[in-house]
Amino acid sequence: DGGITQSPKYLFRKEGQNVTLSCEQNLNHDAMYWYRQDPGQGLRLIYYSQIVNDFQKGDIAEGYSVSREKKESFPLTVTSAQKNPTAFYLCASTYGRGYNEQFFGPGTRLTVL
Amino acid sequence: DAKTTQPPSMDCAEGRAANLPCNHSTISGNEYVYWYRQIHSQGPQYIIHGLKNNETNEMASLIITEDRKSSTLILPHATLRDTAVYYCIVRASNTDKLIFGTGTRLQVFP
Repeated sequence: DGGITQSPKYLFRKEGQNVTLSCEQNLNHDAMYWYRQDPGQGLRLIYYSQIVNDFQKGDIAEGYSVSREKKESFPLTVTSAQKNPTAFYLCASTYGRGYNEQFFGPGTRLTVL
Repeated sequence: DAKTTQPPSMDCAEGRAANLPCNHSTISGNEYVYWYRQIHSQGPQYIIHGLKNNETNEMASLIITEDRKSSTLILPHATLRDTAVYYCIVRASNTDKLIFGTGTRLQVFP
């Protein structure tokens, strides 16, 4: 089945540790995105990438880093510089700029203790 | 900042039509109206989008007013599985960004 996978579904880390969230897609999509969602709120864009080896900051990129070495993978690292990392993280992809539908993964719920 | 305004919550009886309103009074000529929904603790799901004309697909219908300042998403026969948060989003054709507001929490009851 084609789709987007995020792992793990739940992740716990100690304060001060960096943590990397996985996002993989087999839809042959060019563009990939990372969003953050806090309780009762909408999604906010962290980073996005339209092609391999290129990415742009979204609205809340501080404290996060990404890489796009392969078309199908777009991992997100939550660094210790992120002040409030506990949140629900969602990855999405689409064929490219202007395409209408973003496909979302199931999300990773990160809790920093 | 979200460019749309939606009621925070709505109820609908199972089998009846659910009509979800959205105001986007500052919409520009090149901006589309998109609807996504998010079932609890899952990723959002695309429903439908439109520019000027009304649109219909297997999931829903989208009615856009002639001045494009508001729209309504219609689920013709709501089921319990349609209980979710529904997001109305405007997006320019030359950008990838989807700006999510807080949406409308639709509760479908038996």
